[in-house]
Amino acid sequence: AQSVTQLDSQVPVFEEAPVELRCNYSSSVSVYLFWYVQYPNQGLQLLLKYLSGSTLVESINGFEAEFNKSQTSFHLRKPSVHISDTAEYFCAVSDTGGFKTIFGAGTRLFVKA
Amino acid sequence: NAGVTQTPKFQVLKTGQSMTLQCAQDMNHEYMSWYRQDPGMGLRLIHYSVGAGITDQGEVPNGYNVSRSTTEDFPLRLLSAAPSQTSVYFCASSRNLLGRTGELFFGEGSRLTVL
Repeated sequence: AQSVTQLDSQVPVFEEAPVELRCNYSSSVSVYLFWYVQYPNQGLQLLLKYLSGSTLVESINGFEAEFNKSQTSFHLRKPSVHISDTAEYFCAVSDTGGFKTIFGAGTRLFVKA
Repeated sequence: NAGVTQTPKFQVLKTGQSMTLQCAQDMNHEYMSWYRQDPGMGLRLIHYSVGAGITDQGEVPNGYNVSRSTTEDFPLRLLSAAPSQTSVYFCASSRNLLGRTGELFFGEGSRLTVL
């Protein structure tokens, strides 16, 4: 069965510092991978996705993630964070085993001034 | 664009009461799903549907029923509410992307408290 592990439940970081949010998944077949962001009292919205092709994917607000098939990882990075990046981030996987997208437990990113 | 619309946004129930959470999408997506979000547990899939007339169970289906009579609507029914069903519920839809779910579009959530 699919599973997604987000290795850090909370990540505090100072503004303008780099950050990495880690995500590992288990799946025996090819996968689609996603990062979603949830701001307080809102629904989730897509941050970026890997479907196929280039293993490095980027978002419009400076985040990037790299699909590493050998390590079954899809870590999220940003070279310089802003206060407005404070949110909860969820890694998710969808594979050909069925129409199910499975989520990790989430990582709460807290950016301090 | 309305996207995915959930109602109600807030609801308080007593143990044993029943209710229906409504979900509608206007993007003509084949796939619709319900998740519950609990602290420290992420989002867990309750039920999903790949098209009108077709539904299936997710990770935590017990105590919930769904039906899909139209492409647009996917209501979630709590048959006899229990305190363990206190949660935030999200409806999400997606296109069928080569036999898998693609990007999920989420509603704003429905916060349910069962006393």
